[in-house]
Amino acid sequence: GAVVSQHPSRVICKSGTSVKIECRSLDFQATTMFWYRQFPKQSLMLMATSNEGSKATYEQGVEKDKFLINHASLTLSTLTVTSAHPEDSSFYICSARDSYGESTDTQYFGPGTRLTVL
Amino acid sequence: GQNIDQPTEMTATEGAIVQINCTYQTSGFNGLFWYQQHAGEAPTFLSYNVLDGLEEKGRFSSFLSRSKGYSYLLLKELQMKDSASYLCAVRGRSNDYKLSFGAGTTVTVRA
Repeated sequence: GAVVSQHPSRVICKSGTSVKIECRSLDFQATTMFWYRQFPKQSLMLMATSNEGSKATYEQGVEKDKFLINHASLTLSTLTVTSAHPEDSSFYICSARDSYGESTDTQYFGPGTRLTVL
Repeated sequence: GQNIDQPTEMTATEGAIVQINCTYQTSGFNGLFWYQQHAGEAPTFLSYNVLDGLEEKGRFSSFLSRSKGYSYLLLKELQMKDSASYLCAVRGRSNDYKLSFGAGTTVTVRA
């Protein structure tokens, strides 16, 4: 149980284009999902908290107009990187909290999306 | 703010024991997590401590002392596949579920 998927696993795009990343909880419902980014040999940095049916909460320094988050259902959150630039190249990881399971505190992570902007 | 410290790297021999320490200074405390992350992959959940004491799960154990702001992850009977980065994460406030992560400890297991 507690499986989280992400799609795509790897994407290469041109500068100025937008990229959408999907995060799905496969066998549980998640009212809350989280989006992180991770640069090489660094730890995970929380970008935003995605709340089902309401607006996402962004961490300080993260541009909400650049990183659009939509959490339309209890099993799906999407992150859209708009007008991507090379400095946006990173490993993007989502996590989901099992809202109704035994351990509602634990976050389960998706496999990550490697974004490369040329 | 949140401050979570753990050693950068550790090396151990196959079959040995390694202890990874984590100290934290956070705004509130509502649980400490340990995750394992292999290179290029997402973190996988290892353990969760919210009360003081030792939690044992097979070859992995995790300890917490809230008064000292200290935790450790103990890996026993090390295997080559245990070579990975180990992340300490703290949940601060109780009204959200956000985690603050340490920089991670890279463990290298040698034959």
